[in-house]
Amino acid sequence: DSGVTQTPKHLITATGQRVTLRCSPRSGDLSVYWYQQSLDQGLQFLIQYYNGEERAKGNILERFSAQQFPDLHSELNLSSLELGDSALYFCASSVVGGALNNEQFFGPGTRLTVL
Amino acid sequence: ILNVEQSPQSLHVQEGDSTNFTCSFPSSNFYALHWYRWETAKSPEALFVMTLNGDEKKKGRISATLNTKEGYSYLYIKGSQPEDSATYLCAHPTGNQFYFGTGTSLTVIP
Repeated sequence: DSGVTQTPKHLITATGQRVTLRCSPRSGDLSVYWYQQSLDQGLQFLIQYYNGEERAKGNILERFSAQQFPDLHSELNLSSLELGDSALYFCASSVVGGALNNEQFFGPGTRLTVL
Repeated sequence: ILNVEQSPQSLHVQEGDSTNFTCSFPSSNFYALHWYRWETAKSPEALFVMTLNGDEKKKGRISATLNTKEGYSYLYIKGSQPEDSATYLCAHPTGNQFYFGTGTSLTVIP
């Protein structure tokens, strides 16, 4: 158990809908990262937050957005969902966010299925 | 090399064999190289974060080396055990992004 929690574990929804994925980092970690793993693809970095502020942006679609709250939990919002958004979404946390040489601790993931 | 590449894609070894696999990454503007172990139905688990050319890190029977000048890192597993079966990922942060390789899937046959 990494100490990172993600809810829900599974989510099934329809095209065009909007969903919110939630992540709570390890106690003391200030930085949260979101990743997407689609079928037959590796982990794709989406976005990073550090202490409430966006720190880095990867291959995140405009239909997706994220935020980190004062209690450091983070939410990833996915809207106008398409079939291709079906994937496993991971959240990871690390102690600091400015340095990319800190190991990340991954949550169990949320499996999103868009029908 | 524009992306992070890992080879081989998959590997089957007998229990007790030693094995190694490669991660190649762009050698310019190097910052760090991460290795993760990812077991089926679990989440990735950090093994090593390597930052210095010539770095060598070890955790039990697993070790890794780093060559930043030529842009590669090797992961070695000595005396493979069935519980070592997993996908081993490397990740290369550059700028403010993380680029993951597609992984090497290791199966250790008892």
